[in-house]
Amino acid sequence: EAGVVQSPRYKIIEKKQPVAFWCNPISGHNTLYWYRQNLGQGPELLIRYENEEAVDDSQLPKDRFSAERLKGVDSTLKIQPAELGDSAVYLCASSSRGPQYEQYFGPGTRLTVT
Amino acid sequence: GENVEQHPSTLSVQEGDSAVIKCTYSDSASNYFPWYKQELGKRPQLIIDIRSNVGEKKDQRIAVTLNKTAKHFSLHITETQPEDSAVYFCACTNAGKSTFGDGTTLTVKP
Repeated sequence: EAGVVQSPRYKIIEKKQPVAFWCNPISGHNTLYWYRQNLGQGPELLIRYENEEAVDDSQLPKDRFSAERLKGVDSTLKIQPAELGDSAVYLCASSSRGPQYEQYFGPGTRLTVT
Repeated sequence: GENVEQHPSTLSVQEGDSAVIKCTYSDSASNYFPWYKQELGKRPQLIIDIRSNVGEKKDQRIAVTLNKTAKHFSLHITETQPEDSAVYFCACTNAGKSTFGDGTTLTVKP
């Protein structure tokens, strides 16, 4: 079974530029998460989807971050414009039975904003 | 919201010794407590989890204990091996939201 796929793996951009991350969850997993992981810290939830519905986006900085999950499968996370403080690893995870069960993480996208 | 504190932040043990990592949480409604292992440059992977209706769970050399009254849970690794070296994260889940600790870097010295 293929795992969670993310691209790109690395991205370097200048501040004020836009950037987008893509995630393909494990087939059949209805729950999808985007996390941000700063160096030396645990993952911090940005948004959770159940199918195509964003059920928890309370920690998504909506002034510059947006996300979508069309057709309830793939998802994209966008930052526009990026700031220096956005440098982090962005992790996507999926779960087959919701948040009370194992989350399968992707390899992450390491974003560096210069 | 939920607040999770994880200790210690770093832990170094000799091969064969035991390692214990503890997490405390604030929200008594949290009911699912997974532990993830993240090797350098790799993705977090679940190693063990426990639900609020269970006090202890064991899987070979790994065990997790939960004290709901005191609101803390611990990861126990026995007979540590060099390949156990990694960052370990605890998490608490409540109402669909998972809050992670800041991680413990475990180093097992041969």
